[in-house]
Amino acid sequence: GAVVSQHPSRVICKSGTSVKIECRSLDFQATTMFWYRQFPKQSLMLMATSNEGSKATYEQGVEKDKFLINHASLTLSTLTVTSAHPEDSSFYICSARGQGWGSTEAFFGQGTRLTVV
Amino acid sequence: DAKTTQPPSMDCAEGRAANLPCNHSTISGNEYVYWYRQIHSQGPQYIIHGLKNNETNEMASLIITEDRKSSTLILPHATLRDTAVYYCIVRAANAGKSTFGDGTTLTVKP
Repeated sequence: GAVVSQHPSRVICKSGTSVKIECRSLDFQATTMFWYRQFPKQSLMLMATSNEGSKATYEQGVEKDKFLINHASLTLSTLTVTSAHPEDSSFYICSARGQGWGSTEAFFGQGTRLTVV
Repeated sequence: DAKTTQPPSMDCAEGRAANLPCNHSTISGNEYVYWYRQIHSQGPQYIIHGLKNNETNEMASLIITEDRKSSTLILPHATLRDTAVYYCIVRAANAGKSTFGDGTTLTVKP
């Protein structure tokens, strides 16, 4: 299947700093990418949907000014957690789909474990 | 997206078939049933999907009831590496985003 890669896989940052997570589609053009967050022992929660070249659509309760999403190319989307706090510590996962994929499933990255200290 | 209901946990003996049920009684006619699994600290892995016919691939089989209100994922010969959280999701083609429920934690025991 198609490959979606996230970087970094793990990151530790200090409170108040910002951290950027990259999500790349390696062998297809991802017109749409999705960002999820997963707290321990919980399910994945969708944060936002991004389409290449346009602003991301955020789910209710997700602060767009805190979680900046950029989808500037068909193979790369970034999520920047700004002014991180310990409660932002979580597992962040992206997924991607290509245009016109119909019922074809989205492919997920391996996730990024963020720890804010 | 239609809501799905899965048992929170199941056990299965290694080498036996694992049958994971999912209820999706409010599924719409254009919504597919997708199954993913998530092994600890990894991203979800696609397993299989279907609309109304039963499907089989190298990983599993998907049985969808005639009224489409429920489905069963079958892992024919479970191994210890199949221990994971299994998510059943329904969504329309091209809808893109997936709404994850709580899933079923499958534990395969030796």
